[in-house]
Amino acid sequence: DAGVTQSPTHLIKTRGQQVTLRCSPKSGHDTVSWYQQALGQGPQFIFQYYEEEERQRGNFPDRFSGHQFPNYSSELNVNALLLGDSALYLCASSLLRTSGDQETQYFGPGTRLLVL
Amino acid sequence: AQTVTQSQPEMSVQEAETVTLSCTYDTSESDYYLFWYKQPPSRQMILVIRQEAYKQQNATENRFSVNFQKAAKSFSLKISDSQLGDAAMYFCAYRIRDDKIIFGKGTRLHILP
Repeated sequence: DAGVTQSPTHLIKTRGQQVTLRCSPKSGHDTVSWYQQALGQGPQFIFQYYEEEERQRGNFPDRFSGHQFPNYSSELNVNALLLGDSALYLCASSLLRTSGDQETQYFGPGTRLLVL
Repeated sequence: AQTVTQSQPEMSVQEAETVTLSCTYDTSESDYYLFWYKQPPSRQMILVIRQEAYKQQNATENRFSVNFQKAAKSFSLKISDSQLGDAAMYFCAYRIRDDKIIFGKGTRLHILP
């Protein structure tokens, strides 16, 4: 049973460019959450996708957008990159119960983004 | 606002000894979940242990156990018989029902051989 996978593992971009990160959830999971982890900090919630819709969003600007596909995989897009966007981007998947309560979130290995 | 505070940026413990990592949180909710995640240098965030706030019994997973004090809003992690493979960043985290996870800033744990 494959866990959560992310691609690419590392990425280098320059300021002003756009980037797309990808995530495949754990088998059987239907919800994908994205987190940004700056160096030396805990992860910060960006947004969550369920049934191809953005379900919740953290305190991130509109430059951060996402998408979820019918197979539950997800993309994170960041436009007009800033130096401060350099971070580890983590994807987590979970199963949203019918009661609305999520099962535990399982994390992928992350994508390390460096903006020069 | 919900916050999670880990007051120990770094800790060290001798191999085979016991260590306790501290965590406090702030919330007005009564129904929530608490987690300890481990992040080794490989970066993979691994769930160590989970506690439902409505359960009075402290969660235990092999060498890992928690001391959950709901009134004090405290959630510490005890690692018994520390092993070299336990060296990692440990994050305390909080979530209400279907909401996002809020993480602390982490505690780096060193295991001394």
